[in-house]
This record gives sequence, C-alpha cells and structure tokens, in this order.
Amino acid sequence: KNEVEQSPQNLTAQEGEFITINCSYSVGISALHWLQQHPGGGIVSLFMLSSGKKKHGRLIATINIQEKHSSLHITASHPRDSAVYICAVTSGTYKYIFGTGTRLKVLA
Amino acid sequence: EPEVTQTPSHQVTQMGQEVILRCVPISNHLYFYWYRQILGQKVEFLVSFYNNEISEKSEIFDDQFSVERPDGSNFTLKIRSTKLEDSAMYFCATAGTSGADTQYFGPGTRLTVL
Repeated sequence: KNEVEQSPQNLTAQEGEFITINCSYSVGISALHWLQQHPGGGIVSLFMLSSGKKKHGRLIATINIQEKHSSLHITASHPRDSAVYICAVTSGTYKYIFGTGTRLKVLA
Repeated sequence: EPEVTQTPSHQVTQMGQEVILRCVPISNHLYFYWYRQILGQKVEFLVSFYNNEISEKSEIFDDQFSVERPDGSNFTLKIRSTKLEDSAMYFCATAGTSGADTQYFGPGTRLTVL
C-alpha cells in the first residue's frame, strides 16, 4: 500500500472552475509538500505545510493532521495550470515520499 | 533566482556501461538528494547526502550506485554497470542549511539504457 495516496488520478476542468486535489497519507509526518510537475518533467515546490492553511495567488493548500489529509485548491483555473500536481511527505527523515500525482488538464 | 542545474539533459547508453550524472546545487545549500522517476510512475527517493557522506539510501540504491561531491560544487550520481531497468528521469534536489528546508529540484536527466 502506498504511504501517500492522491485523488483523483486525472482531472479535466473548464477554464474558470474551482479545482480540488486530495492527498491522504498513512504515516506520521513532519511536513507535507505540494509540487507541480510540468510536461517537460521539471518539478517545482508549491507549498510546505505542517498545519493549517497556506495561500499563494490562486493556490490554496490545507492540511488536517488528525485526519491525515491535505487538499490543494486552485481558484479560477486557467489552461496554464495544466500540469501534474504531486503530494509528498517527510516522515522522520528529510527524504520526500511522493504520491502518484494528479494529472490536471484545464480546457479553454 | 538561483537554481539547481543538471547535466546532461539526456544520456543514452548501452547496457553494462557506466554513467555519471551531474548536479550543481544552489550555492550555500548543504543537503543533497537524488530521486528517480521511471516513465509513468511516481518519483522515488534514491539517496541523501550531507557533510560529505550518505545520510540515507533506499533499497534501490544498491552497490552499482554511488554519489560524491568531488570538487565541493558538483554533486554526482554514478551508475557503474547500467541495466535496462535503470532507464528513468533522475532528479537532483538540494536544500539549504536545514534538512527540513524545502527541496529545490533540478530539471532532471533522462537516462535511456539500450
């Protein structure tokens, strides 16, 4: 069983829609990370969370430590948001444990 | 903005050959990592490196793999005798003065073993 699970695996949305990507984990964590992977392969860190909520532009990330669950929200989605969004956790050591990713496509 | 760089961007090699993948970390970063992503699969941890020694390694990182920081700047991953199943995208990541800092990823090296 994967330590980090994401849903959905694939998501297609119309431009302007509100998008939610979910992440559940089964281990104790020191932090949870949301990352974005572009079609060319590059990985960019979006958020690091250990509690509560963070916002950056149109992106909002929340975490519920008791429920071992995090969500990434994108408001007013745009075709340039199309990418793979990955949840990863650090648990006891500094290495990232990655989820399988959510492939998002936003249509104009 | 400082960034992690990796060379080469794409490496094609024959099975059994040695390859060296190179990474230039962000200046003043002290924590270094290698990850790999087999096509269509999730990113997997290979090894972490701090203070000139391996901090942690995964089951994947067997005797055919090694890492070093030969000149204090480049951080390299060597695969001694490549196998077909080593074909993947290899990412270097670096973090600042604490291992708990956010990791910054390089653009990756795509390794193709024929």
